[in-house]
Amino acid sequence: DGGITQSPKYLFRKEGQNVTLSCEQNLNHDAMYWYRQDPGQGLRLIYYSQIVNDFQKGDIAEGYSVSREKKESFPLTVTSAQKNPTAFYLCASSPRTTDYEQYFGPGTRLTVT
Amino acid sequence: QKEVEQNSGPLSVPEGAIASLNCTYSDRVSQSFFWYRQYSGKSPELIMSIYSNGDKEDGRFTAQLNKASQYVSLLIRDSQPSDSATYLCAARSIMNTGFQKLVFGTGTRLL
Repeated sequence: DGGITQSPKYLFRKEGQNVTLSCEQNLNHDAMYWYRQDPGQGLRLIYYSQIVNDFQKGDIAEGYSVSREKKESFPLTVTSAQKNPTAFYLCASSPRTTDYEQYFGPGTRLTVT
Repeated sequence: QKEVEQNSGPLSVPEGAIASLNCTYSDRVSQSFFWYRQYSGKSPELIMSIYSNGDKEDGRFTAQLNKASQYVSLLIRDSQPSDSATYLCAARSIMNTGFQKLVFGTGTRLL
């Protein structure tokens, strides 16, 4: 089955710890994205990648880092510098960045205490 | 004004009736719009896209785009209990880098 997988589904961390969220796709999509969703707010773009070995900051990149070493994989690291890391994190992909129909993975719910 | 705005609801629709969900947008977005359905605790699922003025139908769903009035709507005919979800409206927006991202409304909850 083609699709986007994210792991883990739930993640609990203590404040001050870095944590890495996994995102893998087997759709052969060039473009991948990371969003966060908070209650009562729309999805906000954290980082995006149009091609392997290239990625750009979105609207709320502070406290986050990413890598894109393989076409299939776009992991997100939430660092201790992120002030409010508790959120629902969503990974998405599209065939190209000029294809605006984006498809989402199942998400990772991160709780930091 | 936000780029994409939706009434948060909740919107209660009797079973079998037509649900009408609305989204208004600003001049800062481009003319490509998307409707996503998000069940509680789940990720958004793309259900419709519309690029041209007018109506686009897909099964029980109809998307309507009115560029003159700057709104886009989603109609759901013969509403079913399984339609209970939050519906997100999204549009293209150009970033300072020239990259065209999607901007999302906060969603309308349909009961």
